[in-house]
Amino acid sequence: GQQVMQIPQYQHVQEGEDFTTYCNSSTTLSNIQWYKQRPGGHPVFLIQLVKSGEVKKQKRLTFQFGEAKKNSSLHITATQTTDVGTYFCAGNAGTASKLTFGTGTRLQVTL
Amino acid sequence: NAGVTQTPKFRILKIGQSMTLQCTQDMNHNYMYWYRQDPGMGLKLIYYSVGAGITDKGEVPNGYNVSRSTTEDFPLRLELAAPSQTSVYFCASSYSMTQTAAFFGQGTRLTV
Repeated sequence: GQQVMQIPQYQHVQEGEDFTTYCNSSTTLSNIQWYKQRPGGHPVFLIQLVKSGEVKKQKRLTFQFGEAKKNSSLHITATQTTDVGTYFCAGNAGTASKLTFGTGTRLQVTL
Repeated sequence: NAGVTQTPKFRILKIGQSMTLQCTQDMNHNYMYWYRQDPGMGLKLIYYSVGAGITDKGEVPNGYNVSRSTTEDFPLRLELAAPSQTSVYFCASSYSMTQTAAFFGQGTRLTV
């Protein structure tokens, strides 16, 4: 079945440092979505990418969808303590209806 | 606008007991999902539905059942609770599978 892996599993940065998480799917995706889950909370949608090679920005966050539509990345510039949480990618493979989540990357930011 | 509502928020079950986790959405979404999240882990798909009367298995369906009699409601049934089902359960919905975000409920924390 479809597998979606993320690296790293965990990263601890100091406030102001950059952060990147990578998402890799075993199958080609029709789209990729990114979610953020604060500790004790539920996943919250951040963005969706659909086109091969697509790049989108949200303030300090940059999202990229790979050319082969099998990988994606999320880069945070100059992290803040409000960025703490777990970041998940999620995608649909081909015409599959089910939304499969990646393994997640937990980000810890300290002053 | 309530979005996705899950009840209960917390529940403790004894081994062998049964219960239903309720999920309802008021956004007229066609797609609904049930995920479980074990401590420090990712989200695993249990069941999903693409519309009323249609359900399908996800990655980890064993020990669970679902039904979708209306667009709004997607209850998850545990028939014989086992310790391995201790987890946080999230219900989510989306308008379509490809073009819109999945909105999540607040979760149900279940201990068996």
